[in-house]
Amino acid sequence: GENVEQHPSTLSVQEGDSAVIKCTYSDSASNYFPWYKQELGKRPQLIIDIRSNVGEKKDQRIAVTLNKTAKHFSLHITETQPEDSAVYFCAASGGGDDKIIFGKGTRLHILP
Amino acid sequence: DAGVIQSPRHEVTEMGQEVTLRCKPISGHDYLFWYRQTMMRGLELLIYFNNNVPIDDSGMPEDRFSAKMPNASFSTLKIQPSEPRDSAVYFCASSTRESQPQHFGDGTRLSIL
Repeated sequence: GENVEQHPSTLSVQEGDSAVIKCTYSDSASNYFPWYKQELGKRPQLIIDIRSNVGEKKDQRIAVTLNKTAKHFSLHITETQPEDSAVYFCAASGGGDDKIIFGKGTRLHILP
Repeated sequence: DAGVIQSPRHEVTEMGQEVTLRCKPISGHDYLFWYRQTMMRGLELLIYFNNNVPIDDSGMPEDRFSAKMPNASFSTLKIQPSEPRDSAVYFCASSTRESQPQHFGDGTRLSIL
């Protein structure tokens, strides 16, 4: 089955700088890669997703890149702000069944 | 448009008691997922349904856990008997079909004393 590895587990970034979170997946048939943001005590919420027919997708300060050959994808947050502090999860699905496999999460701290 | 609705939001009970968590998916969503979240194990998929039918329950930890979906608008996750190690946040999520975004409920924070 699918396995998703996420790094780093914790990331501290100065406010205004960029943050990058990286994930790898094992099932080459996976074709859908969502990213979720979870604030303390809240539910995971989708922030951006990408499909395997696209190499990059942007939404304001957030971008995701996908390298199918290497089976890895990354989340990029530019001009970080205090409200970006949260846990971020990558995920992969579509490799033969309907479930989404989540990474272990990255706790992002934005330092003042 | 109402999102995924879970109840109760918090549950505190003594070990050995039966616990029932409830979920109402978004209307029109054919897939329903139950997750458990802990610090140690992260977000784990327990079971998911498609059109009210359980498709994969390989994540259900033990026979003490069971889940049902009697109709398209309601699902339950039951733990009987409950144990302290079952303490976690349990999320329900729904989606329209495969490879589509999952929408999460606010979760049930379960504490077994």
